[in-house]
Amino acid sequence: DGGITQSPKYLFRKEGQNVTLSCEQNLNHDAMYWYRQDPGQGLRLIYYSQIVNDFQKGDIAEGYSVSREKKESFPLTVTSAQKNPTAFYLCASSPTEAELFFGEGSRLTVL
Amino acid sequence: DAKTTQPPSMDCAEGRAANLPCNHSTISGNEYVYWYRQIHSQGPQYIIHGLKNNETNEMASLIITEDRKSSTLILPHATLRDTAVYYCIVRAAPHSGGSNYKLTFGKGTLLTVNP
Repeated sequence: DGGITQSPKYLFRKEGQNVTLSCEQNLNHDAMYWYRQDPGQGLRLIYYSQIVNDFQKGDIAEGYSVSREKKESFPLTVTSAQKNPTAFYLCASSPTEAELFFGEGSRLTVL
Repeated sequence: DAKTTQPPSMDCAEGRAANLPCNHSTISGNEYVYWYRQIHSQGPQYIIHGLKNNETNEMASLIITEDRKSSTLILPHATLRDTAVYYCIVRAAPHSGGSNYKLTFGKGTLLTVNP
């Protein structure tokens, strides 16, 4: 069953802790993306990766880090430097420059 | 800088056609118009895209004006399950450069289908 899997679906963290969100795809897509969504807002691009071992900053990369060691995986780490990390995080992939396929999202809450 | 403008909300009666407008007056010749929708608390779903000709698939129809400065997404027979936020974005043609990956989704249009 092809698709994009994000985990965990819900995550709680204490202030000052780093947390890593997982994103795995078995669609054989080259490009992967991370977006952040706040209540009532659109999607803002955090990082994107066009190909393995390469990634670029999006519009709001500060306080986040990523890696792309495998084609199938694009984990996002929310670091303690991110001042307002509570949000809905969406991962997507696409076959090069075509339409995006999104995962179901991970909701992070900082306590 | 917003590339598209959409009304914040619209209502539609179940079974009727839903027509969602999008203005993209600064669109350039190699940019496509894409539509996605997001049902509450889920990931967005691709609907349709087009360059200058009208397009239709099993989900919707896309009508692009001749000057390409605006478009309309049409859901021919809206159902309650079509209640969602609809996003219109513009995107350059493939192989236009790295910036083609920096896709911006605005606030979209919240379509509410009423029984």
